[in-house]
Amino acid sequence: GQQLNQSPQSMFIQEGEDVSMNCTSSSIFNTWLWYKQDPGEGPVLLIALYKAGELTSNGRLTAQFGITRKDSFLNISASIPSDVGIYFCAGQGTNAGKSTFGDGTTLTVKP
Amino acid sequence: GAVVSQHPSRVICKSGTSVKIECRSLDFQATTMFWYRQFPKQSLMLMATSNEGSKATYEQGVEKDKFLINHASLTLSTLTVTSAHPEDSSFYICSAGGLGNNEQFFGPGTRLTVL
Repeated sequence: GQQLNQSPQSMFIQEGEDVSMNCTSSSIFNTWLWYKQDPGEGPVLLIALYKAGELTSNGRLTAQFGITRKDSFLNISASIPSDVGIYFCAGQGTNAGKSTFGDGTTLTVKP
Repeated sequence: GAVVSQHPSRVICKSGTSVKIECRSLDFQATTMFWYRQFPKQSLMLMATSNEGSKATYEQGVEKDKFLINHASLTLSTLTVTSAHPEDSSFYICSAGGLGNNEQFFGPGTRLTVL
């Protein structure tokens, strides 16, 4: 089946720093999604990408759909303590809505 | 909009009993819902695709007789863990779509503990 490689696995940064994480796949995806999950809760959708090359922002978050359709990155600028959590990328192929998830990036922000 | 709820949020049961988890789309109709399980510090693993009015589609390795899925209406899907065992203890999360794009909105999850 399709697999996503998400990196880094974890990040420890100072408040105010920028963060970058990415996902790569051996398969082509039609949709890339980025989620944030807090402990004991379901994932919350941050950004959805639908076209190769698309660059989309949501506040301090920016994500891009790779031109090859096999990768995506998420940037967080000027991190704050509430950015702490686990970030997941997810890719969708031709089966609408069915997502394959990366292993997550655990972000820790030190005040 | 796009709110998905799950009930219960947390359940503890004895080994051998069955547990039903509900997933509801509160402000939209969902022709398709998905059920995931998540072990501590791991990613979400898709268990099955729940289709309104038809049988669920299970992922490889997921026992359909163990995890019964019913999608009785456009706003409700249920997952029943039958004859639960301690190894079934996990965080079960549903998602719902059907809003035109491929966006999936997740419920808050159900923490199942089997003693």
